[in-house]
Amino acid sequence: GNSVTQMEGPVTLSEEAFLTINCTYTATGYPSLFWYVQYPGEGLQLLLKATKADDKGSNKGFEATYRKETTSFHLEKGSVQVSDSAVYFCALPLFSGGYNKLIFGAGTRLAVHP
Amino acid sequence: DTGVSQNPRHKITKRGQNVTFRCDPISEHNRLYWYRQTLGQGPEFLTYFQNEAQLEKSRLLSDRFSAERPKGSFSTLEIQRTEQGDSAMYLCASSSIQGRTEAFFGQGTRLTVV
Repeated sequence: GNSVTQMEGPVTLSEEAFLTINCTYTATGYPSLFWYVQYPGEGLQLLLKATKADDKGSNKGFEATYRKETTSFHLEKGSVQVSDSAVYFCALPLFSGGYNKLIFGAGTRLAVHP
Repeated sequence: DTGVSQNPRHKITKRGQNVTFRCDPISEHNRLYWYRQTLGQGPEFLTYFQNEAQLEKSRLLSDRFSAERPKGSFSTLEIQRTEQGDSAMYLCASSSIQGRTEAFFGQGTRLTVV
């Protein structure tokens, strides 16, 4: 079945450092892929998505490329800020009876210090 | 429309009590989902509504859990005879039936059973 594996956290970086959070997936076919972000005490916000192979999703300086060869969707940002401190979830849909429910990774906590 | 709204944001209850949470989805969305997130984990699917019909219930949803969406708009999730293991963040999400797969999440209800 569909599944997602994320690198374990926490990831601790200094401001302006380069960020990579790894995500690999197992899926039937080529589903859309998502990154969600959860700030402390909040629900999940969609950060970016890619709907087909080789697509690059981007938002707020974050990018992720859908790579079917390596079944990966790694999240990157060139220069992180303190305000990026949050938990990041990679997710993909599991198609079931005409709708999609999301399968999430365990999340990767990012802490950025000044 | 400001997005998916959940109430209350926090709930502390004694073991054995019943609790009810409410979710108001984005108004034009006819798909509604409940997820549960325990500490340090990604959200896990609980149940799905299309309009007023509950089309899937996860095995995570024991007999003490019941969800409704009586008029295809807001939804409630009730937990009877709460247990300490029910302590978690309960997240509601909604999406459109127009074939797009991204779901929009509320801020969640954090339940603490003491």
